[in-house]
Amino acid sequence: GAVVSQHPSRVICKSGTSVKIECRSLDFQATTMFWYRQFPKQSLMLMATSNEGSKATYEQGVEKDKFLINHASLTLSTLTVTSAHPEDSSFYICSASSGYTEAFFGQGTRLTVV
Amino acid sequence: AQSVTQLGSHVSVSEGALVLLRCNYSSSVPPYLFWYVQYPNQGLQLLLKYTSAATLVKGINGFEAEFKKSETSFHLTKPSAHMSDAAEYFCAVSEWNNAGKSTFGDGTTLTVKP
Repeated sequence: GAVVSQHPSRVICKSGTSVKIECRSLDFQATTMFWYRQFPKQSLMLMATSNEGSKATYEQGVEKDKFLINHASLTLSTLTVTSAHPEDSSFYICSASSGYTEAFFGQGTRLTVV
Repeated sequence: AQSVTQLGSHVSVSEGALVLLRCNYSSSVPPYLFWYVQYPNQGLQLLLKYTSAATLVKGINGFEAEFKKSETSFHLTKPSAHMSDAAEYFCAVSEWNNAGKSTFGDGTTLTVKP
């Protein structure tokens, strides 16, 4: 089956620093990747959709300058949380789709900002 | 526009008993429907999916779900619960022409009592 690898699985950073999370499709070309955020005991909230070679489309209420998304190739998308603050602490999950089927999910990244 | 409602944020069953997790959806176009399971601090694992073929869908670990268009439902069942089934379950809907972009329900926590 299709495999999506997300790295790192856990990261702790200091307030004010930036953190990059990678999402890779290992065995298929992902024309579209999605980034979700999940708060404790809550559902997944779509943050943005990225298409290879294009600017990401952000959902309403998501700060595009804080959550920078780059989809430079058909197998890699990155999410950079800039100037992170404790309120950015969350579980971030990516998914990737070839466009013809459903998206496949990464393992998630637990971000803790101290 | 699409949405998902999961009835019951918490469901508790005894080991060996029937598991029934309810999901109702709303979609303006033919939907794709999914059930995912999530264990603590992990990503999503796809249990099963409906993509306009057979209305009764069988998934992994003995789970199955039936798509009922007239009731706009996609309830998840398992005849006999196992302790390892205790987890968070999410129902999700996407549009057939944009299958990668999913809208998730709020989730149902399944507890299995010995």
